[in-house]
Amino acid sequence: EIVLTQSPATLSLSPGERATLSCRASQSVRNFLAWYQQKPGQAPSLLIYDASNRATGIPATFSGSGSGTDFTLTISSLEPEDFAVYYCQQRSDWPYTFGQGTKLEIK
Amino acid sequence: VQLVESGGGLVQPGGSLRLSCAASGFTFRSYWMSWVRQAPGKGLEWVAHIKQDGREKYHADSVKGRFTISRDNAKNSLYLQMDSLRAEDTAVYYCARAITGYFFDWGQGTLVTVSS
Repeated sequence: EIVLTQSPATLSLSPGERATLSCRASQSVRNFLAWYQQKPGQAPSLLIYDASNRATGIPATFSGSGSGTDFTLTISSLEPEDFAVYYCQQRSDWPYTFGQGTKLEIK
Repeated sequence: VQLVESGGGLVQPGGSLRLSCAASGFTFRSYWMSWVRQAPGKGLEWVAHIKQDGREKYHADSVKGRFTISRDNAKNSLYLQMDSLRAEDTAVYYCARAITGYFFDWGQGTLVTVSS
């Protein structure tokens, strides 16, 4: 099973700042990685797929990069609604796995 | 796209439950579908995946032999039969539409609590 490790566990930033979230895979997942956002009491929603493609309706402030084992989700300028938990997920191999999440909180 | 789960509730350890997901707003029979769960205060765990025609199914090791995913394309519905339930199966269960292995759309979830 491919293990995804996200860092940091918690990130404290202020609105307007830049956020950089990391996801590291235990083995190469090529570019088959997605990012999801989950707000309290809500279902997750897809942000990025295939490492760098934004899902429909996702603003350009969100960008994804990386390949192989190291991936990054960048939020260029934080809006109040961006404070949430973010998960990465690989679909390179069964079983599909998720990272443990990064909580982005307001500083 | 709308996905509406139902069937969750409180069940005793060893018991059974069947979850349903009603799909609308897209051509259900054309997509892989999945169940993903989230234990209280925890992260996401993929549970099961089923091909468009229902002939290919995959289950996580943690539920293999106890849970079964199925679908009825005539009813635009996805199901998860859960048997031999354990306390560790307590979670919100989400139905999701999958495209190339990613979960593009999610339902609001249904809570399953396994407790005596």
